[in-house]
Amino acid sequence: GENVEQHPSTLSVQEGDSAVIKCTYSDSASNYFPWYKQELGKRPQLIIDIRSNVGEKKDQRIAVTLNKTAKHFSLHITETQPEDSAVYFCAASQNTPLVFGKGTRLSVIA
Amino acid sequence: DTAVSQTPKYLVTQMGNDKSIKCEQNLGHDTMYWYKQDSKKFLKIMFSYNNKELIINETVPNRFSPKSPDKAHLNLHINSLELGDSAVYFCASSPTGGVDQPQHFGDGTRLSIL
Repeated sequence: GENVEQHPSTLSVQEGDSAVIKCTYSDSASNYFPWYKQELGKRPQLIIDIRSNVGEKKDQRIAVTLNKTAKHFSLHITETQPEDSAVYFCAASQNTPLVFGKGTRLSVIA
Repeated sequence: DTAVSQTPKYLVTQMGNDKSIKCEQNLGHDTMYWYKQDSKKFLKIMFSYNNKELIINETVPNRFSPKSPDKAHLNLHINSLELGDSAVYFCASSPTGGVDQPQHFGDGTRLSIL
């Protein structure tokens, strides 16, 4: 089955700097890669997703890149703000249940 | 207007008891899910229903029994609760039967077993 590894597990950045979170997946058939943000005590919320026919997708300060050959995808957050502080989860699937990475706790220091 | 609503938000109970968690979505989605998030924040799928039919049943003890009376509701009943069942349980829904669709999560039910 699919296995998703996520790094780093914790990340601290200064406000205004960029943050990058990386994930690798094992099943080359996976074709859907969402990212979820979970604030403390809240529900996971989809922030961006990408499908395997696209190499990059951007939404304001958030971008995701996908390298199918290497089987890895990354989340990039630019100009970080304190409200970006949360746990971020990557996931992968291909007609199978979403398999989540173990999460990255991002702290943005003002 | 909460899109995916779960009740109760908190559930504290004794080992050995039976309890239920209810979930309702008003998004008109066909597919609903139950996830378990443990103390280390790891999110793992438990069940998935598409239009009231069970389509995914991961390796979950048979003490856990989902029920979907209609496609807008997916309830979770747990028998003989154990200490290891303590976790946050999230209900989610997505538009179609394909799991490669954006999932909308409820606010979670924090289950604590004494």
